[in-house]
Amino acid sequence: EDKVVQSPLSLVVHEGDTVTLNCSYEVTNFRSLLWYKQEKKAPTFLFMLTSSGIEKKSGRLSSILDKKELFSILNITATQTGDSAVYLCALYNNNDMRFGAGTRLTVKP
Amino acid sequence: SQTIHQWPATLVQPVGSPLSLECTVEGTSNPNLYWYRQAAGRGLQLLFYSVGIGQISSEVPQNLSASRPQDRQFILSSKKLLLSDSGFYLCAWSQQGKGPQHFGDGTRLSIL
Repeated sequence: EDKVVQSPLSLVVHEGDTVTLNCSYEVTNFRSLLWYKQEKKAPTFLFMLTSSGIEKKSGRLSSILDKKELFSILNITATQTGDSAVYLCALYNNNDMRFGAGTRLTVKP
Repeated sequence: SQTIHQWPATLVQPVGSPLSLECTVEGTSNPNLYWYRQAAGRGLQLLFYSVGIGQISSEVPQNLSASRPQDRQFILSSKKLLLSDSGFYLCAWSQQGKGPQHFGDGTRLSIL
C-alpha cells in the first residue's frame, strides 16, 4: 500500500522562527505532490509539485520535491501566529489522492 | 470564480438513522467531485469520487453510498448509520483530470 508519512506530528515554535515540515512517501507512480493548510475547516491549497528539484515559493512559504530520495519539505520563514494550522501533504495520481496524517504547527506569540 | 458549498456544518444523529449530506459546486462545469472522511488526528481518507453524472467510484467498502444526480451536485448517504461513521466529512472538486482539489468547509458528524 502506498504510504505518505509526515513529520513531525506536531511542532510548537515562537513567532519569527523558521520551520521545516517533512513529507516522505513510498509510491510507485504519481503525478504530483500537494501541500494543504487546514485551520478549522476546509484544507486550503498551498503548492502542487510535479518536478523534482524545482522550488515553489509563495511569500514566506516555499516547498520542494525530491523524487530520488522520495520526500518533500515545506518551509515557513518568519512564522506568525496565523500560520498555526495542520499542514497536509498528499500524493495525486489521476483521481486518487493519498494524504498523510498532517503536521500540527502551533506558533506562539 | 468557483465556490463549493457543503451542508449542514454539523449534524448529530442516532445510531441506525439515515444520512444525507449535500455538496454543490458553482462556477465550473463537469468537475470531478470527491467525498473524504477525516478522523480526529488523522489524514483524509477518500471515500468516493465521480467524473460525471451518475458515475461513482468507491475507494473503501462501507455502509455509505454516494450519488451525483446533477453535474455539480454530490450527495453522501447512508440508510443506517453506525457509531464508526462519526467524523469530519469533506467534499472537494477539481478540474477534470487535473489537480489540485478544492475543499468545502466540511460537515462534522456525531453519531450517538
